[in-house]
Amino acid sequence: RKEVEQDPGPFNVPEGATVAFNCTYSNSASQSFFWYRQDCRKEPKLLMSVYSSGNEDGRFTAQLNRASQYISLLIRDSKLSDSATYLCAVGSNAGKSTFGDGTTLTVKP
Amino acid sequence: ETGVTQTPRHLVMGMTNKKSLKCEQHLGHNAMYWYKQSAKKPLELMFVYNFKEQTENNSVPSRFSPECPNSSHLFLHLHTLQPEDSALYLCASSPKTDRGAYEQYFGPGTRLTVT
Repeated sequence: RKEVEQDPGPFNVPEGATVAFNCTYSNSASQSFFWYRQDCRKEPKLLMSVYSSGNEDGRFTAQLNRASQYISLLIRDSKLSDSATYLCAVGSNAGKSTFGDGTTLTVKP
Repeated sequence: ETGVTQTPRHLVMGMTNKKSLKCEQHLGHNAMYWYKQSAKKPLELMFVYNFKEQTENNSVPSRFSPECPNSSHLFLHLHTLQPEDSALYLCASSPKTDRGAYEQYFGPGTRLTVT
């Protein structure tokens, strides 16, 4: 079993749709959780850290469920510019982050 | 210059060549990382340096040799590579967060082709 598993995707949604991605992790001792966005042929960029209380940044909401060992990312009112690959990452106290395979989102007009 | 920079951005090398990738971070971070990203594969962690000390070597072949002279600079020395080593090599840096582990800031990567 992979340490971090994401929805395989791809997700193809119309503009304005709400889309949710899930990511499960196997190490119950994991300490920190992140969502990154990676555009085609570009480097990953931090989108959000994910906190136990959940957090929201504009149209983006991230949630953590420690009991079930998953994190989620919700995107509301999708824009064409949201098209990208979304990577979840799970970190340990050793400073190491393990990344998921990524979920590709395409938002269509 | 700000953020994380990497040079060169593109590199084509033969299997017998020796080359080095350079990474520099201008963020005042203490940890630096090398990742490999192959087509249609997830990010693979290669090496971690924390305060210039290597803390992780993720079973990387010895033809990849990292060097971290200070907390701002990281090198990846390459020699006798194989065609399957062709990939995007990403450098990242991270601060320590108050939650004990680290969000990472990536450089633009070096796209390496081994012929």
